[in-house]
Amino acid sequence: AQKITQTQPGMFVQEKEAVTLDCTYDTSDQSYGLFWYKQPSSGEMIFLIYQGSYDEQNATEGRYSLNFQKARKSANLVISASQLGDSAMYFCAMREGNQAGTALIFGKGTTLSVSS
Amino acid sequence: GAVVSQHPSRVICKSGTSVKIECRSLDFQATTMFWYRQFPKKSLMLMATSNEGSKATYEQGVEKDKFLINHASLTLSTLTVTSAHPEDSSFYICSARSYQETQYFGPGTRLLVL
Repeated sequence: AQKITQTQPGMFVQEKEAVTLDCTYDTSDQSYGLFWYKQPSSGEMIFLIYQGSYDEQNATEGRYSLNFQKARKSANLVISASQLGDSAMYFCAMREGNQAGTALIFGKGTTLSVSS
Repeated sequence: GAVVSQHPSRVICKSGTSVKIECRSLDFQATTMFWYRQFPKKSLMLMATSNEGSKATYEQGVEKDKFLINHASLTLSTLTVTSAHPEDSSFYICSARSYQETQYFGPGTRLLVL
């Protein structure tokens, strides 16, 4: 079974609108972390937001917020007031446990296209 | 945020040659770094976990004799693609975890083997 599932290969949104990118995860660990990264065409992976499994409040970073629903094992990314520069590939990732030697597991990604 | 650098950013080489890629954590120490490989429009696939002062841990299916990893210091890990072939052409990205929860990525290296 996939650990991280992103069901939307592509999403389209108009400038200034909000958009939600879906992510569900599968783990039996009690301690885990959830991440969202943005990858523009240049290839660099840009960290957007992090949510720890024990965090009770949803994480927010500027225009990005993470809708964390633990019981449903979902960690959707909400981008408010989309901008043209938000067009990129977005990856949801998970780290199981909290040890430094644990790598991130990535979903397949969602390509977001923002139009004017 | 923390900075991870990667060099070179792009390399073109002939089949059969070896290519070394460096990954440095610039403003923090990283006992563990990770190497990923990414094909166009695909996700990142973990290749190996690089541990400072010890052998790397490779993921299933990754040839350790083909992809040599050395983590010589707390700020530097290198990936050497030995006897590169066209099928090794890919985008290679390293990452390191800072003292915080976040894992930061290098800018990546595009390898093209002719």
